[in-house]
Amino acid sequence: EVQLWESGGGLVQPGGSLRLSCAASGFIFSNYAMIWVRQAPGKGLEWVSGISESGDSTYYADSVKGRFTISRDNSKNTVFLQMDSLRAEDTAVYYCAKRRDTSGLYNLDFWGQGTLVTVSS
Amino acid sequence: SQMTQSPSSVSASVGDRVTITCRASQGIHRWLAWYQQKPGKAPKLLIYAASSLQSGVPSRFSGSGSGTDFSLTISGLQPEDFATYYCQQANSFPLAFGGGTKVEIK
Repeated sequence: EVQLWESGGGLVQPGGSLRLSCAASGFIFSNYAMIWVRQAPGKGLEWVSGISESGDSTYYADSVKGRFTISRDNSKNTVFLQMDSLRAEDTAVYYCAKRRDTSGLYNLDFWGQGTLVTVSS
Repeated sequence: SQMTQSPSSVSASVGDRVTITCRASQGIHRWLAWYQQKPGKAPKLLIYAASSLQSGVPSRFSGSGSGTDFSLTISGLQPEDFATYYCQQANSFPLAFGGGTKVEIK
């Protein structure tokens, strides 16, 4: 059974940092690209970042480029999102998700339960 | 490509047929996915490649379209289908989601 479990969310002051983790199980983690998606309270889904199977390629939304860093540790089946210079508008539930196929389109077939990040003084 | 969904909400009754549309700002062939999200839960993949049904998803859900115009149809709305639905451009980064369509009980 595929499982994704996010952790690391919490309350942080503007300008602060947080590191989110997403632990995966139930599939060959190193074969799949991984994605972070966020959802601000009462709002829709927003793609944040993506990382290739090996970790060699990373991608970011313009809204987080230069502030967030995605990485992965295939030996620990975990993907990370380092979030620096946090702003109030980064307040959201952050989901990690798995690409459905080992190549091709980015259809996201499994999602974690989400972790809430609140940026406030 | 930016994704625009309509309507933003729809009221319907159990048994109704509901259609949600999604328009891409540029052609994306059939590289579109649809998700269902219930309050407090993670999104669930329903449809990929515009019309392929994800494993385990009931056949009352169907998708169609190509290029810039797509639709999701629920044939015979069930109580568990009241939720918010999102389309997503799935081809390449930056990925993009539509604004969502909330299906509410009439």
